[in-house]
Amino acid sequence: EPEVTQTPSHQVTQMGQEVILRCVPISNHLYFYWYRQILGQKVEFLVSFYNNEISEKSEIFDDQFSVERPDGSNFTLKIRSTKLEDSAMYFCASSEASQRYNEQFFGPGTRLTVL
Amino acid sequence: QKEVEQNSGPLSVPEGAIASLNCTYSDRGSQSFFWYRQYSGKSPELIMSIYSNGDKEDGRFTAQLNKASQYVSLLIRDSQPSDSATYLCAVNTGNQFYFGTGTSLTVIP
Repeated sequence: EPEVTQTPSHQVTQMGQEVILRCVPISNHLYFYWYRQILGQKVEFLVSFYNNEISEKSEIFDDQFSVERPDGSNFTLKIRSTKLEDSAMYFCASSEASQRYNEQFFGPGTRLTVL
Repeated sequence: QKEVEQNSGPLSVPEGAIASLNCTYSDRGSQSFFWYRQYSGKSPELIMSIYSNGDKEDGRFTAQLNKASQYVSLLIRDSQPSDSATYLCAVNTGNQFYFGTGTSLTVIP
């Protein structure tokens, strides 16, 4: 069964450094998403991406964040100048259909620890 | 502020019983609704989606939607210990997606 994959599973970085989290969405899916989940809190929407551009972003997704689809398979989230409060699980998701009625499938997540 | 509210629980049911999980949402313009299951330390796993008023059944799971009351529920019949997890309600509103904090379910053997 196709699945979303994410690398690395755990990333440790120093405050102020840049990190890139990688995702490979399900191959026939067209919509891609990033979410974060701070420990013990709810899953929070960051951004959605379609046709090589951002289609929607939340208030959390400020200039510190960027997304890219550098090739036909990968989807990345870059976090610049990381802060302690960026420590969280970051989930990538993808969906086949339009955003209105989509079903999103999540990857296993990347645990980001900022020291 | 668009909100999705769930009772955090914990909800405990005996094995074989029906577990009932509830969710309310604040935005009447919300269009699609999802239930996810999340085991501790794992990612959300899609259980059900529902888009129109009424019931939708899939195996032991039934999702119910009442847009007038802004209410979504999930029933789990014949609950199994493996159903013990946190259940997340998610709502699609205006191309953004909002999750509730989840309800922790424990199925007691």
